[in-house]
Amino acid sequence: KQEVTQIPAALSVPEGENLVLNCSFTDSAIYNLQWFRQDPGKGLTSLLLIQSSQREQTSGRLNASLDKSSGRSTLYIAASQPGDSATYLCAVDQFGNEKLTFGTGTRLTIIP
Amino acid sequence: DGGITQSPKYLFRKEGQNVTLSCEQNLNHDAMYWYRQDPGQGLRLIYYSQIVNDFQKGDIAEGYSVSREKKESFPLTVTSAQKNPTAFYLCASSSDRGHGTQYFGPGTRLTVL
Repeated sequence: KQEVTQIPAALSVPEGENLVLNCSFTDSAIYNLQWFRQDPGKGLTSLLLIQSSQREQTSGRLNASLDKSSGRSTLYIAASQPGDSATYLCAVDQFGNEKLTFGTGTRLTIIP
Repeated sequence: DGGITQSPKYLFRKEGQNVTLSCEQNLNHDAMYWYRQDPGQGLRLIYYSQIVNDFQKGDIAEGYSVSREKKESFPLTVTSAQKNPTAFYLCASSSDRGHGTQYFGPGTRLTVL
Protein backbone atom coordinates (compact mmCIF):
# COMPACT_ATOMS: atom_id res chain seq x y z
CA LYS A 1 0.00 0.00 0.00
CA GLN A 2 1.37 3.39 -1.01
CA GLU A 3 2.21 5.71 1.86
CA VAL A 4 3.06 9.39 1.39
CA THR A 5 4.87 11.33 4.12
CA GLN A 6 5.56 15.05 4.44
CA ILE A 7 8.01 16.27 7.05
CA PRO A 8 7.98 18.67 8.80
CA ALA A 9 4.29 19.15 9.55
CA ALA A 10 4.88 22.88 10.04
CA LEU A 11 7.59 25.32 8.99
CA SER A 12 8.16 29.03 9.64
CA VAL A 13 10.71 31.08 7.71
CA PRO A 14 11.45 34.81 7.33
CA GLU A 15 10.27 36.57 4.21
CA GLY A 16 12.73 36.49 1.32
CA GLU A 17 14.33 33.17 2.15
CA ASN A 18 14.45 30.24 -0.22
CA LEU A 19 12.94 27.03 1.20
CA VAL A 20 12.40 23.38 0.42
CA LEU A 21 9.40 21.21 1.26
CA ASN A 22 9.80 17.45 1.28
CA CYS A 23 7.59 14.57 0.18
CA SER A 24 8.46 10.87 0.35
CA PHE A 25 6.56 7.84 -0.93
CA THR A 26 7.03 4.11 -0.42
CA ASP A 27 6.16 2.64 -3.84
CA SER A 28 8.12 3.99 -6.80
CA ALA A 29 5.73 2.58 -9.46
CA ILE A 30 4.05 5.91 -9.95
CA TYR A 31 2.33 7.58 -12.90
CA ASN A 32 2.89 11.11 -11.66
CA LEU A 33 3.28 13.24 -8.53
CA GLN A 34 1.30 16.41 -7.89
CA TRP A 35 1.88 19.35 -5.55
CA PHE A 36 -1.06 21.37 -4.23
CA ARG A 37 -1.58 24.44 -2.10
CA GLN A 38 -4.47 24.83 0.36
CA ASP A 39 -5.43 28.05 2.12
CA PRO A 40 -7.43 27.77 5.36
CA GLY A 41 -11.03 26.71 4.76
CA LYS A 42 -10.53 26.52 0.99
CA GLY A 43 -10.16 23.86 -1.66
CA LEU A 44 -6.84 22.71 -3.10
CA THR A 45 -5.07 24.56 -5.90
CA SER A 46 -2.82 22.60 -8.21
CA LEU A 47 0.74 23.93 -8.36
CA LEU A 48 2.76 21.42 -10.37
CA LEU A 49 2.41 17.94 -11.84
CA ILE A 50 5.55 15.88 -12.56
CA GLN A 51 5.23 12.86 -14.80
CA SER A 52 7.20 9.77 -13.75
CA SER A 53 9.55 10.25 -16.72
CA GLN A 54 10.43 13.81 -15.68
CA ARG A 55 13.01 15.00 -13.16
CA GLU A 56 11.59 18.45 -12.47
CA GLN A 57 8.94 21.03 -13.30
CA THR A 58 9.04 24.78 -12.86
CA SER A 59 6.35 27.42 -12.52
CA GLY A 60 7.45 30.94 -11.62
CA ARG A 61 9.19 30.85 -8.23
CA LEU A 62 8.30 27.19 -7.73
CA ASN A 63 10.41 24.23 -8.75
CA ALA A 64 9.46 20.64 -8.06
CA SER A 65 11.85 17.73 -8.43
CA LEU A 66 11.22 14.00 -8.53
CA ASP A 67 13.57 11.12 -7.70
CA LYS A 68 11.53 7.97 -8.23
CA SER A 69 14.28 5.56 -7.26
CA SER A 70 14.62 7.05 -3.79
CA GLY A 71 10.90 7.78 -3.43
CA ARG A 72 11.33 11.51 -2.91
CA SER A 73 10.07 14.80 -4.27
CA THR A 74 10.91 18.33 -3.20
CA LEU A 75 9.14 21.63 -3.76
CA TYR A 76 11.54 24.58 -3.85
CA ILE A 77 10.11 28.05 -3.27
CA ALA A 78 12.40 30.94 -4.15
CA ALA A 79 12.30 34.37 -2.49
CA SER A 80 9.40 33.51 -0.20
CA GLN A 81 6.59 36.03 0.35
CA PRO A 82 3.89 36.31 3.04
CA GLY A 83 1.34 35.29 0.40
CA ASP A 84 3.05 31.91 0.16
CA SER A 85 1.75 31.07 3.64
CA ALA A 86 -0.52 28.03 3.23
CA THR A 87 -0.53 24.26 3.60
CA TYR A 88 1.30 22.41 0.84
CA LEU A 89 0.28 18.85 -0.01
CA CYS A 90 1.84 16.31 -2.31
CA ALA A 91 -0.06 13.41 -3.88
CA VAL A 92 1.04 10.35 -5.79
CA ASP A 93 -0.78 8.74 -8.71
CA GLN A 94 0.25 5.10 -8.61
CA PHE A 95 0.18 2.60 -11.47
CA GLY A 96 -2.77 0.26 -11.13
CA ASN A 97 -4.78 2.82 -9.16
CA GLU A 98 -7.20 5.36 -10.50
CA LYS A 99 -6.80 7.68 -7.53
CA LEU A 100 -4.29 9.88 -5.72
CA THR A 101 -2.69 9.10 -2.37
CA PHE A 102 -2.15 12.31 -0.39
CA GLY A 103 0.38 13.26 2.26
CA THR A 104 -0.81 15.10 5.36
CA GLY A 105 0.81 18.35 4.25
CA THR A 106 3.31 20.93 5.51
CA ARG A 107 1.85 24.12 6.98
CA LEU A 108 4.12 26.96 5.85
CA THR A 109 4.23 30.37 7.52
CA ILE A 110 6.27 33.19 5.99
CA ILE A 111 7.17 35.79 8.61
CA PRO A 112 7.14 39.40 7.29
CA ASP B 1 -15.69 30.77 -16.14
CA GLY B 2 -14.52 27.18 -16.10
CA GLY B 3 -14.23 25.28 -12.87
CA ILE B 4 -15.86 23.23 -10.15
CA THR B 5 -18.63 24.48 -7.89
CA GLN B 6 -19.79 22.95 -4.63
CA SER B 7 -22.87 23.86 -2.67
CA PRO B 8 -23.70 24.69 -0.03
CA LYS B 9 -20.54 26.13 1.55
CA TYR B 10 -21.80 25.31 5.05
CA LEU B 11 -24.31 22.61 5.96
CA PHE B 12 -25.80 21.65 9.29
CA ARG B 13 -27.45 18.30 9.82
CA LYS B 14 -29.35 16.78 12.68
CA GLU B 15 -28.48 13.26 13.68
CA GLY B 16 -30.47 10.69 11.71
CA GLN B 17 -30.88 12.88 8.62
CA ASN B 18 -29.53 12.27 5.16
CA VAL B 19 -28.00 15.26 3.37
CA THR B 20 -26.80 15.70 -0.22
CA LEU B 21 -23.77 17.75 -1.22
CA SER B 22 -23.69 19.14 -4.73
CA CYS B 23 -20.69 19.11 -7.09
CA GLU B 24 -20.80 20.47 -10.64
CA GLN B 25 -17.99 20.93 -13.17
CA ASN B 26 -17.89 22.57 -16.60
CA LEU B 27 -14.37 21.44 -17.48
CA ASN B 28 -15.63 18.51 -19.59
CA HIS B 29 -13.67 16.11 -17.37
CA ASP B 30 -14.53 12.44 -17.34
CA ALA B 31 -13.27 11.68 -13.83
CA MET B 32 -14.74 13.09 -10.62
CA TYR B 33 -13.88 12.45 -6.96
CA TRP B 34 -15.17 13.04 -3.45
CA TYR B 35 -12.72 13.46 -0.56
CA ARG B 36 -13.14 13.98 3.15
CA GLN B 37 -10.66 16.10 5.11
CA ASP B 38 -10.35 16.03 8.90
CA PRO B 39 -8.00 18.19 10.99
CA GLY B 40 -4.46 16.80 11.04
CA GLN B 41 -5.23 14.16 8.43
CA GLY B 42 -4.68 14.01 4.71
CA LEU B 43 -7.47 13.79 2.19
CA ARG B 44 -9.29 10.47 2.19
CA LEU B 45 -11.13 9.26 -0.89
CA ILE B 46 -14.82 8.46 -0.46
CA TYR B 47 -16.01 7.65 -4.00
CA TYR B 48 -14.81 8.28 -7.53
CA SER B 49 -16.23 8.01 -11.03
CA GLN B 50 -14.32 7.66 -14.26
CA ILE B 51 -17.34 7.80 -16.55
CA VAL B 52 -21.06 8.54 -16.53
CA ASN B 53 -23.23 5.88 -14.89
CA ASP B 54 -20.23 4.21 -13.23
CA PHE B 55 -18.51 4.82 -9.89
CA GLN B 56 -16.26 3.00 -7.44
CA LYS B 57 -15.81 2.99 -3.68
CA GLY B 58 -12.78 4.72 -2.28
CA ASP B 59 -11.10 4.10 1.05
CA ILE B 60 -13.94 5.27 3.32
CA ALA B 61 -17.21 4.71 1.41
CA GLU B 62 -19.28 3.34 4.30
CA GLY B 63 -22.21 5.63 5.13
CA TYR B 64 -21.99 7.53 1.83
CA SER B 65 -23.64 7.16 -1.58
CA VAL B 66 -23.16 8.84 -4.96
CA SER B 67 -24.67 8.97 -8.44
CA ARG B 68 -23.24 9.98 -11.81
CA GLU B 69 -26.16 10.49 -14.17
CA LYS B 70 -24.55 13.41 -16.01
CA LYS B 71 -20.92 14.07 -16.91
CA GLU B 72 -20.89 17.43 -15.16
CA SER B 73 -22.54 16.39 -11.89
CA PHE B 74 -21.46 14.07 -9.06
CA PRO B 75 -23.62 14.54 -5.93
CA LEU B 76 -22.65 12.94 -2.62
CA THR B 77 -25.25 11.83 -0.06
CA VAL B 78 -24.15 11.51 3.56
CA THR B 79 -26.52 9.01 5.10
CA SER B 80 -27.53 8.50 8.71
CA ALA B 81 -25.32 5.39 8.69
CA GLN B 82 -22.20 7.59 8.64
CA LYS B 83 -21.25 7.68 12.33
CA ASN B 84 -18.98 10.72 12.32
CA PRO B 85 -19.92 12.91 9.36
CA THR B 86 -18.66 16.26 10.65
CA ALA B 87 -15.84 17.16 8.26
CA PHE B 88 -14.77 19.26 5.28
CA TYR B 89 -15.83 17.66 1.98
CA LEU B 90 -13.97 18.34 -1.26
CA CYS B 91 -14.97 17.47 -4.80
CA ALA B 92 -12.44 17.23 -7.62
CA SER B 93 -12.28 16.37 -11.30
CA SER B 94 -9.58 15.46 -13.78
CA SER B 95 -9.06 14.60 -17.43
CA ASP B 96 -7.07 11.66 -18.82
CA ARG B 97 -9.17 9.10 -16.92
CA GLY B 98 -7.80 10.27 -13.61
CA HIS B 99 -4.14 10.67 -14.50
CA GLY B 100 -4.25 14.38 -15.21
CA THR B 101 -4.11 17.31 -12.84
CA GLN B 102 -6.92 17.23 -10.30
CA TYR B 103 -8.95 20.41 -9.97
CA PHE B 104 -10.79 21.01 -6.72
CA GLY B 105 -13.95 22.81 -5.73
CA PRO B 106 -14.11 25.22 -2.75
CA GLY B 107 -15.47 22.58 -0.37
CA THR B 108 -18.50 22.06 1.86
CA ARG B 109 -18.18 22.08 5.63
CA LEU B 110 -20.71 19.71 7.18
CA THR B 111 -21.54 19.91 10.87
CA VAL B 112 -23.77 17.45 12.69
CA LEU B 113 -25.76 19.06 15.50
